[in-house]
Amino acid sequence: AQSVSQHNHHVILSEAASLELGCNYSYGGTVNLFWYVQYPGQHLQLLLKYFSGDPLVKGIKGFEAEFIKSKFSFNLRKPSVQWSDTAEYFCAVNGHSGGYNKLIFGAGTRLAVHP
Amino acid sequence: DTAVSQTPKYLVTQMGNDKSIKCEQNLGHDTMYWYKQDSKKFLKIMFSYNNKELIINETVPNRFSPKSPDKAHLNLHINSLELGDSAVYFCASSLSLGASGANVLTFGAGSRLTVL
Repeated sequence: AQSVSQHNHHVILSEAASLELGCNYSYGGTVNLFWYVQYPGQHLQLLLKYFSGDPLVKGIKGFEAEFIKSKFSFNLRKPSVQWSDTAEYFCAVNGHSGGYNKLIFGAGTRLAVHP
Repeated sequence: DTAVSQTPKYLVTQMGNDKSIKCEQNLGHDTMYWYKQDSKKFLKIMFSYNNKELIINETVPNRFSPKSPDKAHLNLHINSLELGDSAVYFCASSLSLGASGANVLTFGAGSRLTVL
């Protein structure tokens, strides 16, 4: 069965610090990988996605993620965080269930950025 | 001009009641989903419909009954509400596999259900 593991449940950083959030997945087939962000009180928004090609993908707001197939990982990075990056971050893998989308989420990482 | 809209945004009700949450998308997607986000922010898929047909039904109590009158709407009806049903319910939509841009889900703003 597909699963997603996010190692950090809570991360606290100061502004301008660098960020790396870990994500590992378990799935035997072709995967599509995603990072979604949920700002306080808001819905989930897509940050970036990996389908194929260049394993280093760039998303919105300066975020990027690297797909390392050998490590089953898709870590999210940002060189310099801002206070406005305070949010919950979800890694997700799209395993196919009977030919249909089935997006499986990790438990989420709560990021708090202090000014 | 909301892409995926859910109503109501907040719902407070007593145990044992029956309630419904509605979802509509104007993106032309043919697949819709219900996800449940618990108090620890964990997101879990509940149901998925493709062109009004149920395609994913996770281990959800049968008190939960989704209904899709057309591919732009997916409603969730919950009977005999329990305390443990308190959560935020997110509707989402996407194109089906094989279509360009498929696999990317667009989420609604969520419906926070509180059962007292």
